[in-house]
Formats: sequence, structure tokens, C-alpha cells
Amino acid sequence: NAGVTQTPKFQVLKTGQSMTLQCAQDMNHEYMSWYRQDPGMGLRLIHYSVGAGITDQGEVPNGYNVSRSTTEDFPLRLLSAAPSQTSVYFCASTNLPAGRDYGYTFGSGTRLTVV
Amino acid sequence: SQKIEQNSEALNIQEGKTATLTCNYTNYSPAYLQWYRQDPGRGPVFLLLIRENEKEKRKERLKVTFDTTLKQSLFHITASQPADSATYLCARTNAGKSTFGDGTTLTVKP
Repeated sequence: NAGVTQTPKFQVLKTGQSMTLQCAQDMNHEYMSWYRQDPGMGLRLIHYSVGAGITDQGEVPNGYNVSRSTTEDFPLRLLSAAPSQTSVYFCASTNLPAGRDYGYTFGSGTRLTVV
Repeated sequence: SQKIEQNSEALNIQEGKTATLTCNYTNYSPAYLQWYRQDPGRGPVFLLLIRENEKEKRKERLKVTFDTTLKQSLFHITASQPADSATYLCARTNAGKSTFGDGTTLTVKP
């Protein structure tokens, strides 16, 4: 049981380049989210999904796109990288805690630097 | 907008004491509040969840309370140990959307 797998673990981009951060989970979770975490700060929600084919914006969606074609995968696309997008990106998944205590399972993160 | 705030950036306590961390939210009550632990360079790890209709939840040395009148959740670690030193995050969740506070960094000194 791998949990939430994020690739790559590290990435350096030049300003203006685009790339996709991959996220896959094997727990059959309905809910998936992308967060960014800047140094010394908490997690800020970029986009989230409540099921395959359904996505919505979080607090800081500008400059990012997502899609959810399958339950397992939730890729995050940076359209035109900017230095302000330098951050650690976390993907997380969960199911509704119906009758159980059920929190998010987080991936190990992608450390992105935009130069 | 739905905001969630953790009152202290840092909390230092002596080993064996009880650590109490505070999380406040604005606007309507979340369906549930969650607490996570995050160690440096790692992703957050889920600890406890408390629902809107629950007052208190316990797990081993951890206890969380939820006061919808005060719009506040308290997170307690009893008999704290140096290994409890970490950043603790609270999150509010509604309809599949979870927003996090900035965290409180707890340091337990021997």
C-alpha cells in the first residue's frame, strides 16, 4: 500500500517554463487536494477535488490548473512558472470520515524552485 | 471567507507538563476540525479529528475539544516528551475542502 505518491521530489524551473506535478493515490479516496507551503508558513489550498471529473479552486489557484480524470490521479500543472511559485507542494487525499476518524494522507512533497 | 487561526507561533514547555494549543475559526462552524503533526522536511501526519457535534475526543496522551460557541478548538498533549517537539497544524473542513492554520511549533525541553 503506497499511499500518496508525488513526483518529482525536487525540480528547478526557469521562469516561464511549464510543468506538471504528479500525484497518485492507491487508497480509493474520493477527495484530493493540492497545497503549497512556503517557509515558516502553513498550508495554502491551491485546488481540490471531491471526485473524478470534479475540481474546484482553493485559496491560491492563480497560475495553476488541475484535472481529475480518474479517482487515483490528480496532477497539478504550472502554466508559466514564476519565482513566486517557489515552494513545497503537497498532495493529499482522504475519504469522508463517515463514522470513523479519517484525516488526510499527505504525500512527501515536491520541492520546486523557479529561477 | 473561512479563516482559521492558531494563536501562537511557538510554544516552549518543560517535559512532563501539558501542552495546550489553540485554534480559532471565523464564520460558520466547520463540519469537523482536524489536527496534524508536521516534522521538518516532512508532510503533515493526521492525529485527531473532532466533529461539530462532539465536545471532546481523546487518543492516548492527546485530547482535542471543540467549542462552537467560542469558535475554538483546543489540542492538549499530556505528559509531554521531547519527542513531541514538532509543528502542529489545525484544519477546518467543509464539503471536502480543508483549510489549514499556520501552525504552532512546540518545543518540549528535557
